[in-house]
Amino acid sequence: EPEVTQTPSHQVTQMGQEVILRCVPISNHLYFYWYRQILGQKVEFLVSFYNNEISEKSEIFDDQFSVERPDGSNFTLKIRSTKLEDSAMYFCASSRQGTNEKLFFGSGTQLSVL
Amino acid sequence: AQKITQTQPGMFVQEKEAVTLDCTYDTSDQSYGLFWYKQPSSGEMIFLIYQGSYDEQNATEGRYSLNFQKARKSANLVISASQLGDSAMYFCAMREGRNRDDKIIFGKGTRLHILP
Repeated sequence: EPEVTQTPSHQVTQMGQEVILRCVPISNHLYFYWYRQILGQKVEFLVSFYNNEISEKSEIFDDQFSVERPDGSNFTLKIRSTKLEDSAMYFCASSRQGTNEKLFFGSGTQLSVL
Repeated sequence: AQKITQTQPGMFVQEKEAVTLDCTYDTSDQSYGLFWYKQPSSGEMIFLIYQGSYDEQNATEGRYSLNFQKARKSANLVISASQLGDSAMYFCAMREGRNRDDKIIFGKGTRLHILP
């Protein structure tokens, strides 16, 4: 079965630094998402992306966050100036038909902000 | 107010028994979708089952079935003949509305432990 690929699997950064989390969604998918999960707790919605623009974003997704689809395959999440509370597992997900069907999740990037 | 409520933070079940994981939801939309995902200790999110609000029959996928009680706004996951490999975190999730770009929101999860 095709997979959503996320890199890196672990990222350690200093507070205030910029990080870019990378995702390669499934090739024929059109809808893309970022979620985060702090310490194995609730999975929180960050942002959805369709047709080269943000469809919806949560209150977590403030000006420090941005998403981009720089080419036909990658989907990135940038955090401009990381805070300690940004430490979490970040999941990328994609779907062919949006949320009328299941989302395929990547294996996540564990971000640790020191 | 929470949109998705999972009241069981943890459950212990004997292997081979059936398990019911509770989920209630809150929405005023007529069109919505309900999902269950499994997260083993390795961390990945695995899709288990989907139920649309207009689906008349309860969804089933192998050993998984969704007990959809629309009037009660509940969408409990039933796992028949539990196995040791079912030990994991289970998340109930919901899409509100009929638009494809509506987001999915998750409950807090239930950690299931299957005992040998």
